[in-house]
Amino acid sequence: DIQMTQSPSSLSASVGDKVTISCQASQDIGNFLNWYQQKPGKAPKLLIFDASNLETGVPSRFSGSGSGTDFTFTISSLQPEDIATYFCQYYDDLPPIAFGQGTRLDIK
Amino acid sequence: QVQLVQSGAEVKKPGASVKLSCKTSGYTFSDSHIYWLRQAPGQGLEWMGWINPSNGGTNYAQKFRGRVTMTRDSSISTAYMELNRLKSDDTAVFYCAKVLGPMTTAFDFWGQGTLVTVSS
Repeated sequence: DIQMTQSPSSLSASVGDKVTISCQASQDIGNFLNWYQQKPGKAPKLLIFDASNLETGVPSRFSGSGSGTDFTFTISSLQPEDIATYFCQYYDDLPPIAFGQGTRLDIK
Repeated sequence: QVQLVQSGAEVKKPGASVKLSCKTSGYTFSDSHIYWLRQAPGQGLEWMGWINPSNGGTNYAQKFRGRVTMTRDSSISTAYMELNRLKSDDTAVFYCAKVLGPMTTAFDFWGQGTLVTVSS
């Protein structure tokens, strides 16, 4: 099975900072990589699909890049409402679907 | 607007079964597979399987095969997930979700989650 390694596991940053989260796949997954935001007690929210496509309605300060094995999620200017846990998710035509372990982001 | 509304919290004893529902609205039920995922307390997300509402076809994660059954009732646009032989480590929030489109497994709409607690 493909393993997803997400880093860091937690992160503190100040409002206005640029924030970067990484997700590494154990083998080439093309661009089959999505990013989600999850706030406590809520379902995850899709932010980025297929590595770099911004989901409808998601602010443009969120972006994604990468292909193959190395992927990056970026918040260009951190806002207070961005405090959450962020997950990457791999998928393919066949199972399994795998999620990264998550990155907990809070305000410094 | 698209909505997925899940059934309420459950408390079960080890060895019991639980059946959860996911009522959808705001889109054509047959247009998107319904996935079930779960999240144990303080943990990450785990994929359990999917059902194709158009024909009832299913695909279960290896971990849950033999213990999970996914069904649907297209007349009421509702999907179901039954998990048998519950264990304490099945305690989790269970989510249903639909995908963004046929060419991507990105989950664009989710249910609100159902907490299942397994305890003697």
